[in-house]
Amino acid sequence: QSALTQPASVSGSPGQSITFSCTGTSSDVGGYDLVSWYQHHPGKAPKPLIYGASKRPSGVSSRFSGSKSGNTASLTISGLQAEDEAVYYCCSYVGGDTFGYVFGSGTKVTVL
Amino acid sequence: EVQLVESGGGLVKPGGSLRLSCAASGFNLDLYTMDWVRQAPGKGLEWVSSIHPRSNYIYYADSVKGRFTISRDNAKNSLYLQMNGLRADDTAVYYCARDFGYSYGYGFDSWGQGILVTVSS
Repeated sequence: QSALTQPASVSGSPGQSITFSCTGTSSDVGGYDLVSWYQHHPGKAPKPLIYGASKRPSGVSSRFSGSKSGNTASLTISGLQAEDEAVYYCCSYVGGDTFGYVFGSGTKVTVL
Repeated sequence: EVQLVESGGGLVKPGGSLRLSCAASGFNLDLYTMDWVRQAPGKGLEWVSSIHPRSNYIYYADSVKGRFTISRDNAKNSLYLQMNGLRADDTAVYYCARDFGYSYGYGFDSWGQGILVTVSS
């Protein structure tokens, strides 16, 4: 199972909004509304931000939003803050002949 | 509070075996699908395996199929990963994770802090 494709890096200034993508295939991202997103600071446990492509878990800031169109999912961070600097991973359920999950390659967000 | 604590990591020679454990607390383990996810040094996250609440459905990534075995003991609030035939590319931090409490596929809502497994001669 190949990793989902994410841009390696994205940057923005405090207060700005940034959006980055997660591209898969019809067997994963495109086939199900089962994309999740995680924020990962080095040395810490990943933190869930989005599940079901666009739903936020309890306690997650409304500055984080997710969407999906076809084989591509997107994460938007609005009102960028210094603490948002981290690596972000998308993840999708994989169906068809195999079952499980596939992660994206990760996007490093830098706050300028 | 949900807590997941991994143990059992360390240094092992290529071809060797290791058993990871994950102690779960703060929730009813027998209601949730549980997973192992790993991160090799300098690399991204990689899903390893999932096990449904009653162990009736188990899935593995192709990279570990036939070498790793996931299991659970709900009575002991514990999840396990038996790793055999270890290779250098299995070197990673291994995370225990809990699925969102819906049908399978929604992702992971709680994670442990991770445990390092190093495969080297």
